[in-house]
Amino acid sequence: SQTIHQWPATLVQPVGSPLSLECTVEGTSNPNLYWYRQAAGRGLQLLFYSVGIGQISSEVPQNLSASRPQDRQFILSSKKLLLSDSGFYLCAWARGAGVNNEQFFGPGTRLTVL
Amino acid sequence: DAKTTQPNSMESNEEEPVHLPCNHSTISGTDYIHWYRQLPSQGPEYVIHGLTSNVNNRMASLAIAEDRKSSTLILHRATLRDAAVYYCILRDLGNYGGSQGNLIFGKGTKLSVKP
Repeated sequence: SQTIHQWPATLVQPVGSPLSLECTVEGTSNPNLYWYRQAAGRGLQLLFYSVGIGQISSEVPQNLSASRPQDRQFILSSKKLLLSDSGFYLCAWARGAGVNNEQFFGPGTRLTVL
Repeated sequence: DAKTTQPNSMESNEEEPVHLPCNHSTISGTDYIHWYRQLPSQGPEYVIHGLTSNVNNRMASLAIAEDRKSSTLILHRATLRDAAVYYCILRDLGNYGGSQGNLIFGKGTKLSVKP
């Protein structure tokens, strides 16, 4: 069976510090991978998606970046965090882009920037 | 992706059926109707999806209006564990291009279940 892991579960970082969130998927190969953010009291916003190693597409301009160094590893990074980067970060995977492919979400990382 | 409209919140009693409505008056012929739910402090999980016909699975039923401009997610017997935010999302069958089947989440309906 497939599982998706995210770490850390919670993170408190000062403004201006770097960020690295990791997501890994087990039990499948060549998945589509996604990073979403949910700010307090708001809906989920898609940040990045990837259809393969080294292939990253950004949905919204921001000071965050994503990388996919391995098939089942997706990393979200920032060089300097802003207060507005606080939120609940969710990684998801899907077997493909087809409309019948459901997305499976990880447990999330709750980031607080102070 | 076409827009959906859902009530902000609904309440239900435990063991009773729940009907969660979704309006999508601008739906196109190739849009599938998807439902996800998000339990508190967790990531969303898939519930059900359909195109034109009503659908049933172990979690819920999806009733789609004949003109497809609205749909209803039906939880047959609500439990306390069903308290969550329910999202109705349209996904275009032909959307294999730049968006790669991405989900666009709205505000959803927050369902409260009373014991």
